[in-house]
Amino acid sequence: GNSVTQMEGPVTLSEEAFLTINCTYTATGYPSLFWYVQYPGEGLQLLLKATKADDKGSNKGFEATYRKETTSFHLEKGSVQVSDSAVYFCALVSNTGNQFYFGTGTSLTVIP
Amino acid sequence: EAQVTQNPRYLITVTGKKLTVTCSQNMNHEYMSWYRQDPGLGLRQIYYSMNVEVTDKGDVPEGYKVSRKEKRNFPLILESPSPNQTSLYFCASSTHSGGAYNEQFFGPGTRLTVL
Repeated sequence: GNSVTQMEGPVTLSEEAFLTINCTYTATGYPSLFWYVQYPGEGLQLLLKATKADDKGSNKGFEATYRKETTSFHLEKGSVQVSDSAVYFCALVSNTGNQFYFGTGTSLTVIP
Repeated sequence: EAQVTQNPRYLITVTGKKLTVTCSQNMNHEYMSWYRQDPGLGLRQIYYSMNVEVTDKGDVPEGYKVSRKEKRNFPLILESPSPNQTSLYFCASSTHSGGAYNEQFFGPGTRLTVL
């Protein structure tokens, strides 16, 4: 079956620290992978995506590389800001189905 | 402005009283979906629709119904709500091209409490 596992939170970092949020997946076929961000009181917004192995998605200083050999899609940012405080979700949709699968979310708090 | 709208945003109801949460998108997207978000469980897909009159179950469809009579609308119906359906609900829509799904656009959420 399909599933997404992401690291437990919450994560608290100081401003300008390096961020990694781990995400691994199990999927049939060749999934597309996504990171979504949810700011307090809002719906989810797409942060970045990758549709095939070795693709790197990037946006707003965040990056994630689709690693088929390790079935991973870890989110990284070199220098976080207070405004990055949010909940981050890893997600996938397989090319053999039409259902989306989300991880449990990782809450990030960045302190000045 | 491209958007997904949901109504109501907040709802408190009692067990067994039928309710409908509406969802509408103005982007002509084929794919629409409903999720529920619960602490520690992330988002779980309830139902999705590939196009008008085409719907399918997600991971947690029990106790919910949907319909897709028009491309822009995808209402979620709780025929007999129970307290375990207290949750935050999101509607989303997306296009599908070249065998891959594009970005899902999410609505602002509906917080439902069933007493």
